[in-house]
Amino acid sequence: SAVISQKPSRDICQRGTSLTIQCQVDSQVTMMFWYRQQPGQSLTLIATANQGSEATYESGFVIDKFPISRPNLTFSTLTVSNMSPEDSSIYLCSVGGRSPFPGLALSDTQYFGPGTRLTVL
Amino acid sequence: GENVEQHPSTLSVQEGDSAVIKCTYSDSASNYFPWYKQELGKGPQLIIDIRSNVGEKKDQRIAVTLNKTAKHFSLHITETQPEDSAVYFCASRRDSGYSTLTFGKGTMLLVSP
Repeated sequence: SAVISQKPSRDICQRGTSLTIQCQVDSQVTMMFWYRQQPGQSLTLIATANQGSEATYESGFVIDKFPISRPNLTFSTLTVSNMSPEDSSIYLCSVGGRSPFPGLALSDTQYFGPGTRLTVL
Repeated sequence: GENVEQHPSTLSVQEGDSAVIKCTYSDSASNYFPWYKQELGKGPQLIIDIRSNVGEKKDQRIAVTLNKTAKHFSLHITETQPEDSAVYFCASRRDSGYSTLTFGKGTMLLVSP
């Protein structure tokens, strides 16, 4: 399995500001995803972070609001821009996919980080 | 797109009883079905998964069954313990091309001592 860390673990932010969440994984992975989980709800995919190219966003999510970077195979960031109270959620990083390198097999199972708990006032 | 229905939304059992959570899916091409356990304040943790080439998989007190014809799969937890209390999510996915997990709405399991 993969060990995933996220920073910050929680934050309280003011309306109109932006927050960047970092995701670090301990092994190289092909796929990295960002999810949102609103209080008491299921997981909603925001986007797939693609290394070396623009992220692939799901319906209802746009790059201007949730810019994503993925500079390498172990790291990604999600920014929540111009925040409003409706953005208060848990944001989860997830990784999966087969290793791009022969001999470093990684299950295509999907693993989740511990989440970032965001409260917007 | 894929739709995953999960039932029940809440489940209360006594310690030692069995618990069953059921999910149905709509996309007949889905062939990978994981289950996640999410404890309060933590990220989802994979507890078991099954692929469409098998009908059942067990791991100690946990088992998952799959009926591809009926398009439903179930999580079975035997001899429940208080530490099994959590929210459980089922999910489904195609295993080819660009595909992502579709999650059910979750089941809150409460195991009383």
